[in-house]
Amino acid sequence: AQKITQTQPGMFVQEKEAVTLDCTYDTSDQSYGLFWYKQPSSGEMIFLIYQGSYDEQNATEGRYSLNFQKARKSANLVISASQLGDSAMYFCAMRELYNFNKFYFGSGTKLNVKP
Amino acid sequence: DVKVTQSSRYLVKRTGEKVFLECVQDMDHENMFWYRQDPGLGLRLIYFSYDVKMKEKGDIPEGYSVSREKKERFSLILESASTNQTSMYLCASQTGAEQETQYFGPGTRLLVL
Repeated sequence: AQKITQTQPGMFVQEKEAVTLDCTYDTSDQSYGLFWYKQPSSGEMIFLIYQGSYDEQNATEGRYSLNFQKARKSANLVISASQLGDSAMYFCAMRELYNFNKFYFGSGTKLNVKP
Repeated sequence: DVKVTQSSRYLVKRTGEKVFLECVQDMDHENMFWYRQDPGLGLRLIYFSYDVKMKEKGDIPEGYSVSREKKERFSLILESASTNQTSMYLCASQTGAEQETQYFGPGTRLLVL
């Protein structure tokens, strides 16, 4: 079974609008971490935001926020006020703490921001 | 600043060649990882290491081996390159801390002809 599922291969958003990138995960562990990364066309993976499984508040980092719904096992990334520089691939990842610290990545969502 | 470097950004090899991809990190991280990235498949874990000389298979280890003789260096070896190993290879390192991200190298785009 897929550990991380990203169902949106590609998305478009108008500049200055908000966009939500979906991510669902599958784990039986009680303790885990959820991460989002951005990968521009240059190839480097840029860490955006982290949410721990025990965190009660949704994580926020600048224009990025994570909509964490534990019962639904979803960890959607919300980007507010989209900018042209946000055009990139976005990956959701999960870390299981009791499994050799392994990370599992989704297949990614390609976001295109239109001017 | 954490730095993870990879020996090559682009590499072209022939089928059957032995290929070495090197990764070096400068933050004294215990854990290091090798992934391959293919369109529509995301990142798939090939091997990881949680200590010097220690290694564990990831999800797709077939056709690959690794070496970690020093803490800062983690090498990925393709014993006999095949065309289906044409891909982007990403190295990453991390500490054992719970909320610590993985830090990635710039990637190596390997083409096997």
